[in-house]
Amino acid sequence: EPEVTQTPSHQVTQMGQEVILRCVPISNHLYFYWYRQILGQKVEFLVSFYNNEISEKSEIFDDQFSVERPDGSNFTLKIRSTKLEDSAMYFCASRPGTAYEQYFGPGTRLTVT
Amino acid sequence: QKEVEQNSGPLSVPEGAIASLNCTYSDRGSQSFFWYRQYSGKSPELIMSIYSNGDKEDGRFTAQLNKASQYVSLLIRDSQPSDSATYLCAVKKDSNYQLIWGAGTKLIIKP
Repeated sequence: EPEVTQTPSHQVTQMGQEVILRCVPISNHLYFYWYRQILGQKVEFLVSFYNNEISEKSEIFDDQFSVERPDGSNFTLKIRSTKLEDSAMYFCASRPGTAYEQYFGPGTRLTVT
Repeated sequence: QKEVEQNSGPLSVPEGAIASLNCTYSDRGSQSFFWYRQYSGKSPELIMSIYSNGDKEDGRFTAQLNKASQYVSLLIRDSQPSDSATYLCAVKKDSNYQLIWGAGTKLIIKP
């Protein structure tokens, strides 16, 4: 069964460094999402991406964040200058064009020290 | 008022019994509703979606939606210890792409 994959599973970085989190959505899906979940808190929407552009973003998704689909398979989230408060699980999700169900990858645990 | 509310629990249910999980939402324009299961340290896993008023059954799971009361629930029949997890309710507004999430209900199935 097709699934969303994410790499790396765990990323440790120092404050102020740039990180890129990678996702490979399910191959025939058209909508892509990034969510984050701070430990013990609820899932928070960051951004949605469709037809090679951002379709919606939250207040969390400020100028420090960017997304890109550099080729036909990868979908990336870049944080330019990480802060301590960026430490969280980051989940990528995707869905087909004909249904609203979103399928999540296993997540990347980002630890900013 | 929170957009999507769930009782945080924990909800403790004996093995073999029915677990009932509830969720309320504030936006009457919401059209799509989802239940996800999340084990500790793992990602949300889709269990069911529901779009119309009434019940929708899938195996041991039944989702119930009442748009007039802005209420969605999930019933788990014949609960198993492997059902112990946090259950997340997610709602999609008609005008948005994103899912709005509840904080989740922690379910514990006691053997």
